[in-house]
Amino acid sequence: NAGVMQNPRHLVRRRGQEARLRCSPMKGHSHVYWYRQLPEEGLKFMVYLQKENIIDESGMPKERFSAEFPKEGPSILRIQQVVRGDSAAYFCASSPQGTRETQYFGPGTRLLVL
Amino acid sequence: TQLLEQSPQFLSIQEGENLTVYCNSSSVFSSLQWYRQEPGEGPVLLVTVVTGGEVKKLKRLTFQFGDARKDSSLHITAAQPGDTGLYLCAGVPNYGQNFVFGPGTRLSVLP
Repeated sequence: NAGVMQNPRHLVRRRGQEARLRCSPMKGHSHVYWYRQLPEEGLKFMVYLQKENIIDESGMPKERFSAEFPKEGPSILRIQQVVRGDSAAYFCASSPQGTRETQYFGPGTRLLVL
Repeated sequence: TQLLEQSPQFLSIQEGENLTVYCNSSSVFSSLQWYRQEPGEGPVLLVTVVTGGEVKKLKRLTFQFGDARKDSSLHITAAQPGDTGLYLCAGVPNYGQNFVFGPGTRLSVLP
């Protein structure tokens, strides 16, 4: 039973470049969530998606950040024109249909912006 | 302002000792989850508590959900170095929609 997969595990970008983070949920899970964890801080909710739908994006910065979960393929978190403050660990979680309470996390992508 | 508070923030103990960490809120939660996160990894789900007053045991770990469903505790008996990590509580408050995390308790068990 494969868990939540994220890639890449580490990503280095220069200021102004784009970062694309991918997440494949657990088999049978149709809900995906993205979180950001800054050094020495807790996990902060960013966005909640189901296939082809954004359910809740209240935690997403208004600019430069976008997320999608297409019918086929992984969920993508896209950060355009990255800045140093975007450096963080980005975690994806998934849950079965109908519940937000039990989420299983991937190993995360550590983004470093130079 | 944190919706979920955790204490202590840091805890360093010797192998074999017992410990309790706490998760508190002024809000009611339909359930609370406990996770452990190790450096460089994602949080791993340990348990979900749902019913007020519920107690769940996972080997040497005992989880309790407060009667009012506003707080929870995690007790570890005879801690081992493998218990070292960041312990996070999380849940969806009754009035809200988003999954919120506490700031965590960073536990270090020394051999």
